[in-house]
Amino acid sequence: DTEVTQTPKHLVMGMTNKKSLKCEQHMGHRAMYWYKQKAKKPPELMFVYSYEKLSINESVPSRFSPECPNSSLLNLHLHALQPEDSALYLCASSQGGRATYEQYFGPGTRLTVT
Amino acid sequence: GQQVMQIPQYQHVQEGEDFTTYCNSSTTLSNIQWYKQRPGGHPVFLIQLVKSGEVKKQKRLTFQFGEAKKNSSLHITATQTTDVGTYFCAGNSGGYQKVTFGIGTKLQVIP
Repeated sequence: DTEVTQTPKHLVMGMTNKKSLKCEQHMGHRAMYWYKQKAKKPPELMFVYSYEKLSINESVPSRFSPECPNSSLLNLHLHALQPEDSALYLCASSQGGRATYEQYFGPGTRLTVT
Repeated sequence: GQQVMQIPQYQHVQEGEDFTTYCNSSTTLSNIQWYKQRPGGHPVFLIQLVKSGEVKKQKRLTFQFGEAKKNSSLHITATQTTDVGTYFCAGNSGGYQKVTFGIGTKLQVIP
């Protein structure tokens, strides 16, 4: 199974809402990532978890809160977002460790903040 | 911080013509990856290059990593309509899991 799944596919939320994005992989990967992608732009790294510990936070605002409950799951908790946070949120996974490995991306959650 | 430039941003070709996209980094890279994203889709890994001067081929796709490990290219021979999409290079400067994506080259193939 080389699939990364993400739920929901689409999400519309108001600026005062709290919501969560979910990501799951069963490839035994120990590194998991959140990216944000705006239209016609490249994916922009937000967070990296390595062996369930947060290893990279790219100075992301605190209204985005990641969580890695176990090696297969990755969540992104959203609170008090702004309209400019509307984007495609991509989860990815790769083998962990002291090397760079190919990343497997999920289909993404398209988020609209109203 | 590390910057990865990619040109051209857009390319329209007739089916059967060749296509090349170029990637340049402001810093020496440990390795470089290439991804393809179809319209409405998500990035899909194509290849990773690690060694200076490395050349790898996948059917009609040829990937090169420069001698100085600061640039890379992807060449597609005899494009097909299935090649449509945006091609991203993604460079790593030693932070293991962190890659920085180039702006991407959007390829349109005219049948």
